[in-house]
Amino acid sequence: EVQLVESGGGLVQPGGSLRLSCAASGFTFDSYAMTWVRQAPGKGPEWVSSITGSGGRTYFADSVKGRFSISRDNSNNTVYLQMNVLRADDTAVYYCAKNLYINSPPNWFDSWGQGTLVTVSS
Amino acid sequence: EIVLTQSPATLSLSPGERATLSCRASQRVDSYLAWYQQKPGQAPRLLIYDASVRATGVPARFSGGGSGTDFTLSISNLEPEDFAVYFCQQRYSWPPLTFGGGTKVEIK
Repeated sequence: EVQLVESGGGLVQPGGSLRLSCAASGFTFDSYAMTWVRQAPGKGPEWVSSITGSGGRTYFADSVKGRFSISRDNSNNTVYLQMNVLRADDTAVYYCAKNLYINSPPNWFDSWGQGTLVTVSS
Repeated sequence: EIVLTQSPATLSLSPGERATLSCRASQRVDSYLAWYQQKPGQAPRLLIYDASVRATGVPARFSGGGSGTDFTLSISNLEPEDFAVYFCQQRYSWPPLTFGGGTKVEIK
């Protein structure tokens, strides 16, 4: 059974930093691109960032480019989202999600974690 | 960036009725469209991908259709557990991958 467990969320002041982690199990981790998707209260999901299975390619939404970075540790089946210079509009539940298609760029998301809440406020 | 517009924002129906949800793309996305279901406090769940393919374990009462810019998600014979919010997503042109704003299917 696929499991994705996010951690690292919390309350942070504007301009601060957080690192989110997503621990994966139940599938061949390094064969799948992984993605972070966020959802502000009452809004639709927003794609944030993706990383290929090897970690060789990364992609970012314009809203986070230059402030966020994504990485993965395939030996520990974990993907990370480093968030710097946080702003109030980064407040959201952050989900990690697994690709449906193996060995492919980010596409559809067939498994999601439970999400971790990031609140940016003074 | 491809914008996905979902309509209606809210659909009020009774159990047993049929729901038809719309997703319109600002540019063609061919068949690169998916539908997700989200219940309160839960992560989205993939229902339909490639416009019309049901994901594993999704009941046959869910069906997707359309191509190009206009897509529909139909739910025949609504069950109590189907009352939720539904989002569409495209992967035809990215980054960014984009989602629609959602349609809430509520009990009438």
